[in-house]
Amino acid sequence: DADVTQTPRNRITKTGKRIMLECSQTKGHDRMYWYRQDPGLGLRLIYYSFDVKDINKGEISDGYSVSRQAQAKFSLSLESAIPNQTALYFCATSSPGTGESEQFFGPGTRLTVL
Amino acid sequence: AQSVTQPDIHITVSEGASLELRCNYSYGATPYLFWYVQSPGQGLQLLLKYFSGDTLVQGIKGFEAEFKRSQSSFNLRKPSVHWSDAAEYFCAVATGGGNKLTFGTGTQLKVEL
Repeated sequence: DADVTQTPRNRITKTGKRIMLECSQTKGHDRMYWYRQDPGLGLRLIYYSFDVKDINKGEISDGYSVSRQAQAKFSLSLESAIPNQTALYFCATSSPGTGESEQFFGPGTRLTVL
Repeated sequence: AQSVTQPDIHITVSEGASLELRCNYSYGATPYLFWYVQSPGQGLQLLLKYFSGDTLVQGIKGFEAEFKRSQSSFNLRKPSVHWSDAAEYFCAVATGGGNKLTFGTGTQLKVEL
């Protein structure tokens, strides 16, 4: 079984709809992250959480919100989706550290907003 | 703020040829540097990382990278490329005190048979 799973894997929605992307992990890591990937832009950090009670904004948090329901679950919500949120979204996890800890990525969710 | 530059958007090499992917970073302190690979339809997989010690680091799948502080570079190399190496490669830097990664824009590698 995959250590980091994301649901759904693909989603097509319409402008203005509320969307939730879910991430679950079995690695026992405290730290979880949401990134979006756009062609030519690499991956950009949306939100991150270092434990269940800790939520932090990343580089591009506008238009997004997150919920850390448990150590193993970290959800990303788009309250009112817009077309420029069409992207590939990745969840990642890591163990605590000062920067050298590897991040483990899920398979990604491809979101299309029409 | 830290940043990562991958100057080559696309690279094409013949199978069996050597490979070097360039990465330059900007960060005031000692960086933690990573190379990740993304195969089509897959998530990112760590190839190798550097955070201290020997400046030449070995990774999985026969890849290596050399940290050069004077050039602010962390170039990825492989002596002989295989067709299965075709993928997108990302260089990333993490800051101390946390694991937030800043990624480069990626280099798409095509391998000609």
